Order: sequence, then C-alpha cells, then structure tokens
Amino acid sequence: DIVMTQTPLSSPVTLGQPASISCRSSQSLVHSDGNTYLSWLQQRPGQPPRLLIYKISNRFSGVPDRFSGSGAGTDFTLKISRVEAEDVGVYYCTQATQFPYTFGQGTKLEIK
Amino acid sequence: EVQLVESGGGLVQPGRSLRLSCAASGFTFDDYAMHWVRQAPGKGLEWVSGISWNSGSIGYADSVKGRFTISRDNAKNSLYLQMNSLRAEDTALYYCAKDNQQLAAFDIWGQGTMVTVSS
Repeated sequence: DIVMTQTPLSSPVTLGQPASISCRSSQSLVHSDGNTYLSWLQQRPGQPPRLLIYKISNRFSGVPDRFSGSGAGTDFTLKISRVEAEDVGVYYCTQATQFPYTFGQGTKLEIK
Repeated sequence: EVQLVESGGGLVQPGRSLRLSCAASGFTFDDYAMHWVRQAPGKGLEWVSGISWNSGSIGYADSVKGRFTISRDNAKNSLYLQMNSLRAEDTALYYCAKDNQQLAAFDIWGQGTMVTVSS
C-alpha cells in the first residue's frame, strides 16, 4: 500500500497569514496514464470531508482561490495564502493512483 | 441538490452483523463508482471498500476483507455495506463517497452513520 505522510500534524496560524501543509507518498503517484491522482480534503469540526484540490493543483468547484496545490512525483504541498477563521479543521492528502486508496494522517489547522 | 444519505448504523455486539445503506440523489448514480470510508473516533480517514458503476470491479481494505461486502442497486440509487463478524476496531463513522473518475477524487460525501461495536 502507498503510505501518505503529512507534515506538520498540527499548524497554529495567525489569521491573515499563510499556511502550508506537506504530503509525501512512499512511492510515485504518477499513474500509468501519466496523470497524478493526488487530492486534498478539508474536514471542518463535526463535518464530513470536503474536496478542495484534485490532480495536485486543480481547485474543486466553490473552493476559494486562496487554496492552492503543487508538487510532483512523491512530494506535494497545500498552501493557504491568507488563513481565515472558516479554514479551521483537519486537512488530508489522499491518493487514487493505486488501490487501496490511502490518506495521510491529517494536519490540524488552528488559529493562534 | 447532490446528496448522499447514510443509514443503518448503531450499537452492535462483537461478532454480530450490520448493514449500512447510502441513498444517492441529485446525480446519475449509475454513472459513478462509489466507496465507503470510515473514521474511528478522533482518528483519520480509512478507505474501506469501493465498487464500480456496474459492480464489475470491487475492492476491500485488508482490514475488512472476508467480513464486509459492498453492493449497489442502481435502480434504487443505493449503495450498501454488509458488515459481518464485527470487531471493536470497526467502531467508526462510516461515510459513503462518490468517486468522480474525471477528477480521480471523492467529490461528494455523506454525513456518515455511526457504528459502535461493543458488548
């Protein structure tokens, strides 16, 4: 199975400041079709997960442009340009390149 | 409105069975693969099982293989998870999720149904 490792596991951030979360996979996420199936989910307290980013860097419908994704191969990053109060929650990277689909441990974003 | 609504969770003794359901609406159900993902209390997400649009391809996590069975009824826009020989470690909130193959991501999630395995 592909292991997804996120850092940090907790990220206290000041409102209006940027935040960054890293995700590393135990093997390349480049699929045989050439695509990289890495996505990011946000889970606000008491809510189900919500898709933010798919295929490394594509924002899902309705996701604010302060969220961006980047990376390649085994190293990926989610960035929030200016953190807002509604961004509090846990963020997960996940891969759909190879079965079984796997998730990172989650990174808890909190406000300082 | 695109929606997934899970049901069927509850408190069950170890070794017993439970069947979860997920009712889909607002999209063409039989165009999409579907999955079950669970989250133990205070823990992260774990993929449990997935099924292709026509039930031709099915997969399970090693932790549930041989005990859980996923199925779907496209005529009823419904997804199911039959859970047998339940263990304490199966205690979790079970989400159903829609697999958007074009995005290669789970784009719609239900609110989840809680399963507690305890004597």
